[in-house]
Amino acid sequence: GAGVSQSPSNKVTEKGKDVELRCDPISGHTALYWYRQSLGQGLEFLIYFQGNSAPDKSGLPSDRFSAERTGGSVSTLTIQRTQQEDSAVYLCASSSTGGTEAFFGQGTRLTVV
Amino acid sequence: AQKVTQAQTEISVVEKEDVTLDCVYETRDTTYYLFWYKQPPSGELVFLIRRNSFDEQNEISGRYSWNFQKSTSSFNFTITASQVVDSAVYFCALSVGNQGGKLIFGQGTELSVKP
Repeated sequence: GAGVSQSPSNKVTEKGKDVELRCDPISGHTALYWYRQSLGQGLEFLIYFQGNSAPDKSGLPSDRFSAERTGGSVSTLTIQRTQQEDSAVYLCASSSTGGTEAFFGQGTRLTVV
Repeated sequence: AQKVTQAQTEISVVEKEDVTLDCVYETRDTTYYLFWYKQPPSGELVFLIRRNSFDEQNEISGRYSWNFQKSTSSFNFTITASQVVDSAVYFCALSVGNQGGKLIFGQGTELSVKP
């Protein structure tokens, strides 16, 4: 596609429910990243996929967070048993290789009530 | 550990003024990349520039210019003759090694350009 696409753009969920956020990277980009942007914490790295390598999960805040990337393209970020502190904008980015600039999607605004 | 500091939280200028956004970084790695991103009110992060640690040449793109100085670990961004459309939050970021998209962001500087 022309740019990184994320869905849904907004998600409201009840505390304790699971949510899935989707990211479609730019076609041909081998690297994919998830970030979280919240008022108190700024922009935080969550996870990084590069080709067929094992993902770098060093930024995931707890074991309630997980992500997968199927077929080297679409990625899903899953948050289990959501908490109010999970409320944030979740941003996805992709790049052509690991060493080049990343292009970001519009983000998914998650609100946990 | 790596760190990016943008000491200016908010800046307000009047249209046509020049404005400089400061960025100071910390890393022990010899190979690293520095970036600037713009986040307008729409929310999407827009890539502006990428610089590698071996290239200290300053860069100019239209009204935008960047000053990279390794001696002071700074990568400052200047907008000349600012316009209302420049109003946004600007983020400086750092990546190390070959992980270009694994970014450590500064806290951002909110620039408001008034007519």
